[in-house]
Amino acid sequence: EVQLLESGGGLIQPGGSLRLSCIASGFTFNNYAMSWVRQAPGKGLEWVSAISARGDFTYYSDSVKGRFTISRDNSKNTLYLQMTGLRAGDTAVYHCAKFSRTVVVISPITHWGQGTLVAVSS
Amino acid sequence: DIQMTQSPSSLSASIGDRVTIACRASQDISIYLAWYQLKPGKVPELLISAASTSQSGVPSRFSGSGSGTDFTLTISSLQPEDVATYYCQNYKGAPLTFGGGTKVEIK
Repeated sequence: EVQLLESGGGLIQPGGSLRLSCIASGFTFNNYAMSWVRQAPGKGLEWVSAISARGDFTYYSDSVKGRFTISRDNSKNTLYLQMTGLRAGDTAVYHCAKFSRTVVVISPITHWGQGTLVAVSS
Repeated sequence: DIQMTQSPSSLSASIGDRVTIACRASQDISIYLAWYQLKPGKVPELLISAASTSQSGVPSRFSGSGSGTDFTLTISSLQPEDVATYYCQNYKGAPLTFGGGTKVEIK
């Protein structure tokens, strides 16, 4: 069974930094591209970032480009999201998600984690 | 960037009704369209990929159609457990944009 367990969320002041982690199990982690998707309170789903299976290709939404960095450690079955320059608009539940293939494009997201809440407020 | 527009944003229907949700892409995405179901307190569930391919375990009352820019998710006979918000997503290329969502309720 695919399991994705996020951690690292919390309350952070505007301008601060936070690193989210996602530990994966139940599948061969280094065979699949991974992603972060967020949902702000009362809002819809927003794709944030994605990374290929080997980590050689990364993608970002315009809203986080230059502030967030996605990475992965395949030896630890772990996905990361380093967030800097946090803003109130980044407040959301951040979900870790698994693609169906090694690549990000033309590959649907098939599994999601429960998410971790990031609250940006002074 | 490809924009995804869903309609309606919400709907209320009776048990047993046929429900249709539309999703339009701002440019041709071929069949690289997925539909997700999101229930409160739950993680999103992939219902349909490649515009019309149902995932294993998804009830047969859910179906998808379309290609290019216009897509549809149909629930052939609405059931109480279908109360949820439904999202379409383009996965032809980054950014992997979602539609705004359609909230489905029981009348």
